[in-house]
Amino acid sequence: DAGVIQSPRHEVTEMGQEVTLRCKPISGHDYLFWYRQTMMRGLELLIYFNNNVPIDDSGMPEDRFSAKMPNASFSTLKIQPSEPRDSAVYFCASRSELYGYTFGSGTRLTVV
Amino acid sequence: KQEVTQIPAALSVPEGENLVLNCSFTDSAIYNLQWFRQDPGKGLTSLLLIQSSQREQTSGRLNASLDKSSGRSTLYIAASQPGDSATYLCAAPNSGNTPLVFGKGTRLSVIA
Repeated sequence: DAGVIQSPRHEVTEMGQEVTLRCKPISGHDYLFWYRQTMMRGLELLIYFNNNVPIDDSGMPEDRFSAKMPNASFSTLKIQPSEPRDSAVYFCASRSELYGYTFGSGTRLTVV
Repeated sequence: KQEVTQIPAALSVPEGENLVLNCSFTDSAIYNLQWFRQDPGKGLTSLLLIQSSQREQTSGRLNASLDKSSGRSTLYIAASQPGDSATYLCAAPNSGNTPLVFGKGTRLSVIA
């Protein structure tokens, strides 16, 4: 298995632009999570899905953030409009009962 | 709401030393607990997953223990090597088995 696949690995964008982060979970995993990591706050949960259905989006900082999971093999996290304080590493993870959580390599977002 | 604390925040040891990293959590009604490793600028690699029915798990030179009654877990690293230098993260579910709440990590440096 190729693991959890995220794209792009790095994204540099100007303030006000729309940013879309992508994630392909491990096949057969029924949960998908989006986390954000910063030096100040560590790893924070943004939103998670179970069987493609959003369960808890209370961690999404503002209405500028939205996430979708149209099918079991794909999810997106969108920021519109982006701001410099959104700069962070965004991780996607999926979960199995047997092996727990598996994380992708992350997307390093820089908003200038 | 689950809170996870890791002590110490940073640790520096000479090569060959055995060491213990500590993790505490506030809500003991968890199904499992997971330890991860993160190298600088990289994603999270799962090290050990301990189910609530287990008291410990071992993988090579790593041994993780779980004491739900006291809300504690430890990660023991035997015969440390410079390649063990990384940040080690402990994570426990917010409720039951989803979603994971992370500690701030322990940054380990093993000096040759």
